[in-house]
Amino acid sequence: GAGVSQTPSNKVTEKGKYVELRCDPISGHTALYWYRQSLGQGPEFLIYFQGTGAADDSGLPNDRFFAVRPEGSVSTLKIQRTERGDSAVYLCASSLSRTGQETQYFGPGTRLLVL
Amino acid sequence: DQQVKQNSPSLSVQEGRISILNCDYTNSMFDYFLWYKKYPAEGPTFLISISSIKDKNEDGRFTVFLNKSAKHLSLHIVPSQPGDSAVYFCAASYNNDMRFGAGTRLTVKP
Repeated sequence: GAGVSQTPSNKVTEKGKYVELRCDPISGHTALYWYRQSLGQGPEFLIYFQGTGAADDSGLPNDRFFAVRPEGSVSTLKIQRTERGDSAVYLCASSLSRTGQETQYFGPGTRLLVL
Repeated sequence: DQQVKQNSPSLSVQEGRISILNCDYTNSMFDYFLWYKKYPAEGPTFLISISSIKDKNEDGRFTVFLNKSAKHLSLHIVPSQPGDSAVYFCAASYNNDMRFGAGTRLTVKP
């Protein structure tokens, strides 16, 4: 079956602009996660959705970052007033649920470059 | 705070030999541990996992060992193949709150 998909695969923007990154999880997966990966580091947790609601947004670095999942499937990560330090790979993952020991499956990521 | 550490940024082994990748964690609440493999320009791919109730899990050429008292896990790949060359991330989770190490780049030489 289809895995997690993310669009766009690459995004170049200018400092101060607004960007949206999209994630389409594996069908039937109720849990969805966003991570950010900087060069030489492992993925860092940003936000987690169970269904439509953001159950844990403790990893969002500041209020310029926001994510939605209005119908419990596709999610959009939104970054306002981008800064050069936001440049990273943004990864989305999904799992069947967030109870017990569930494996998270990752998409290919969106490479964001803020000039 | 780095709760999951991979202290070796890189590892090089000869084809056919064993590769051993190591990972240490600090949070004793973690109860599920995973290894992911990542090729350039791709997302991490799930490789193998182990629950805290076990000390070993094997899947083909890949075996993960867990030492809870030492808060240490390792991934053994035997025999190593050139196609195994990638970055390997260790991850630890509790209630699916997952933390990653910084990764180890494995190079398997023909």
